[in-house]
Amino acid sequence: DQQVKQNSPSLSVQEGRISILNCDYTNSMFDYFLWYKKYPAEGPTFLISISSIKDKNEDGRFTVFLNKSAKHLSLHIVPSQPGDSAVYFCAASAGGSYIPTFGRGTSLIVHP
Amino acid sequence: SAVISQKPSRDICQRGTSLTIQCQVDSQVTMMFWYRQQPGQSLTLIATANQGSEATYESGFVIDKFPISRPNLTFSTLTVSNMSPEDSSIYLCSVADRGNYGYTFGSGTRLTVV
Repeated sequence: DQQVKQNSPSLSVQEGRISILNCDYTNSMFDYFLWYKKYPAEGPTFLISISSIKDKNEDGRFTVFLNKSAKHLSLHIVPSQPGDSAVYFCAASAGGSYIPTFGRGTSLIVHP
Repeated sequence: SAVISQKPSRDICQRGTSLTIQCQVDSQVTMMFWYRQQPGQSLTLIATANQGSEATYESGFVIDKFPISRPNLTFSTLTVSNMSPEDSSIYLCSVADRGNYGYTFGSGTRLTVV
């Protein structure tokens, strides 16, 4: 049973527009959430995170929103750039554990 | 963040053989983690490698199939033993980044078993 779900395997967005990547989770013990970006032939790289005590965290063009009641988080990229084309993984951890549970990823394509 | 060198980057292996994947970290770390990403699937934790003790394996993974060595605080190996086509995956090592509760990953090893 997947505890972290990314239901959209792919997303295509035009350059300059907003990209919204969604993630749902089922484990109410999760209290820390992370997004990773992965290019082909490279390992995932940390992008942005959010603690359950917050509902928003922003870093430049990237903003993560957390809706605890809905057990849902989303990553917004504004404006989207072709270099953002990658697979994005949502991950969650519980109780200060360094061991997150990952979703299956969403492949984002930003076309000019 | 730590820098991880992982090799080989890819390999094609015959079924029944074994492959050892190496990860070198540029700083001393207490725990190293080994993940597998099967096609279309999420990153799944195989085991946690601690220096000076046996690795801790997650449910569904056993030492005989995935033996791990951790001879010092900067190096670890994962062996995929007696391979079958079902072992075709990307294997990744990682370390915890205490600065953001995130992980730093190696570049991965893409394994194809034929």
